[in-house]
Amino acid sequence: GAVVSQHPSWVICKSGTSVKIECRSLDFQATTMFWYRQFPKQSLMLMATSNEGSKATYEQGVEKDKFLINHASLTLSTLTVTSAHPEDSSFYICSARDFPYEQYFGPGTRLTVT
Amino acid sequence: ILNVEQSPQSLHVQEGDSTNFTCSFPSSNFYALHWYRWETAKSPEALFVMTLNGDEKKKGRISATLNTKEGYSYLYIKGSQPEDSATYLCAFMANTGTASKLTFGTGTRLQVTL
Repeated sequence: GAVVSQHPSWVICKSGTSVKIECRSLDFQATTMFWYRQFPKQSLMLMATSNEGSKATYEQGVEKDKFLINHASLTLSTLTVTSAHPEDSSFYICSARDFPYEQYFGPGTRLTVT
Repeated sequence: ILNVEQSPQSLHVQEGDSTNFTCSFPSSNFYALHWYRWETAKSPEALFVMTLNGDEKKKGRISATLNTKEGYSYLYIKGSQPEDSATYLCAFMANTGTASKLTFGTGTRLQVTL
């Protein structure tokens, strides 16, 4: 299957700082990438759909000013958690869509805000 | 809100046992049903994408069936091995166009012991 990388795999930051997470499709071009968040013992919850060259589409309840998404190329999408707070601590994972419906995931990023 | 449920939540079997899990999803507006295998600290691995009612797919000792009319899919593992230990996720994709999103179940956590 196709490979999606995600960096960093874990990050610890102080409250009030910003953190950027990168998601790359290594062997295919992805016009659409997705960002998910997982709380303990819950399913993967879609935060936003990232489309190359256009603005991301955010799910209801997700603050677009806090979670900035940029899909600058067909192989790279970034999620920036701005002014992070402890409640933003979570597991974030990205995926890339390979037409028409296959979807491949990165390994995820564990964010801890102190 | 789409409801995707998986059962059981967790399962503990011995090496050599065969096992199966269930994923239930909405029976309307179906486009595709995905199964993933997710080992700790790794990317979720795409197992199957199923699109047609009555579909049966097989990959080694793992197979899956699909019933879109009643809204369920079964995943079977024959002769479980310790390396099958993982969380198995299913995800429903509705027929909403090219940006169709995946809605995940909470997963079935399988542990296979010697």
